[in-house]
Amino acid sequence: GQNIDQPTEMTATEGAIVQINCTYQTSGFNGLFWYQQHAGEAPTFLSYNVLDGLEEKGRFSSFLSRSKGYSYLLLKELQMKDSASYLCAVRSISGGYNKLIFGAGTRLAVHP
Amino acid sequence: EAQVTQNPRYLITVTGKKLTVTCSQNMNHEYMSWYRQDPGLGLRQIYYSMNVEVTDKGDVPEGYKVSRKEKRNFPLILESPSPNQTSLYFCASSSAHPPYEQYFGPGTRLTVT
Repeated sequence: GQNIDQPTEMTATEGAIVQINCTYQTSGFNGLFWYQQHAGEAPTFLSYNVLDGLEEKGRFSSFLSRSKGYSYLLLKELQMKDSASYLCAVRSISGGYNKLIFGAGTRLAVHP
Repeated sequence: EAQVTQNPRYLITVTGKKLTVTCSQNMNHEYMSWYRQDPGLGLRQIYYSMNVEVTDKGDVPEGYKVSRKEKRNFPLILESPSPNQTSLYFCASSSAHPPYEQYFGPGTRLTVT
């Protein structure tokens, strides 16, 4: 079957670094996404990894290990506005279609 | 401005009264999808479309219909809504080419009483 696991909640301090992990089991893997979602709003794209390694984009970085079925999102210099849910999503090829499967999300609370 | 629009944003309706949620994108994307989001369950795909007149079921299609007569529009139809369809609904579109980034609409909060 297809499964994505990520912690339900995390807390961190403003200015610190936090790592949000995601493990997955899926067939036909074709990339992994991280999205940010503030309460009541639409998810917004953060990163995309299809090859192993680290992708850095400003304060946010994302890592992928395909052999381990593992990814993490690293947030540096945390700001209060980073309080949001972070969704890990795996793209898998199914019946010729690139299907996107979402984890339940990790709710991050940043406190002063 | 590149965007996905949904209407209505909020809807309260009664069991059995047919409704349609519209979705439109202005990015000429091939792929469009509908998701519902419920607490603790994450985003679950209802239906998707790979192009005009090409649609298929996602993970939770029961009680929903879709159509894709034009590339930009992908309406979601609830023929006979029930209370278990109370949820937050998102439409999304993406290109058929890498990185396949999905752009989401603002969401429609539906309550069925």
